[in-house]
Amino acid sequence: AQSVTQLGSHVSVSEGALVLLRCNYSSSVPPYLFWYVQYPNQGLQLLLKYTTGATLVKGINGFEAEFKKSETSFHLTKPSAHMSDAAEYFCAVSDVGSGGYQKVTFGIGTKLQVIP
Amino acid sequence: EPEVTQTPSHQVTQMGQEVILRCVPISNHLYFYWYRQILGQKVEFLVSFYNNEISEKSEIFDDQFSVERPDGSNFTLKIRSTKLEDSAMYFCASTSELQETQYFGPGTRLLVL
Repeated sequence: AQSVTQLGSHVSVSEGALVLLRCNYSSSVPPYLFWYVQYPNQGLQLLLKYTTGATLVKGINGFEAEFKKSETSFHLTKPSAHMSDAAEYFCAVSDVGSGGYQKVTFGIGTKLQVIP
Repeated sequence: EPEVTQTPSHQVTQMGQEVILRCVPISNHLYFYWYRQILGQKVEFLVSFYNNEISEKSEIFDDQFSVERPDGSNFTLKIRSTKLEDSAMYFCASTSELQETQYFGPGTRLLVL
C-alpha cells in the first residue's frame, strides 16, 4: 500500500524567503508523484508532477520539486515566497490499484502562511 | 484549457435526504473518480469508475453511495440517505487513457444538518 507523509501541517515563511514543503512517500512500485495546491474555498489545482525522466520538475508559479528515489522524497520548493502563495499544499502519490486502475493517495496537507 | 466542472458548488440538506452531486469530466477522459475531504482532514479516495462500472472503491463507499454515468458527459455521485458525517467537500476527477494525471473539479461543499 502506498502512503504519503507531509512533515509540518503548518509552515510560515516571510515574503521573499525560501519555501520548502517536505513530502516523503512509500510505494511498492515506481510512483507518479504530484503536488496539488488548494486556495481558500477552491478546488485542487495541479502544481507539478513527476512521472518519468528528469527528476527535477518545474511547475506553475515558480515552484519546483525534486524526486529523490534513495530518500523516497519529493519536496516542494520555491526560491522566493509571494503573498499569493498562501494556500494549502497536498503531496500525492499514485500507482495502479488492485483493480488495475490509477489510485491517488494524498498527504495530510501543509498550510503555507506567508508573512509580509 | 479543458477542465472538470462540478455542480452545485454548495449544497445544504437535511439528514436522511438523498443528494446527487454532478460532475462533467474532461471530454476525452475515460476514468472517473470521486474523492471527499472532511473539513480539516486529508483528501480521501471514494471510488473509481471506468467503462460504465466501478473499478475500485474504498471502505468509505458503502451501500449509501452510488455512482452513475447517465449520459455521455455527466458523472454523478448519489448519497441515498445522508448522515451528519457525510458533510464534506466532494471532488470529482478524471484522467485520460494514459492514467497519468488526475484533474480535479472545484468541488461541491455538502453540509448535512
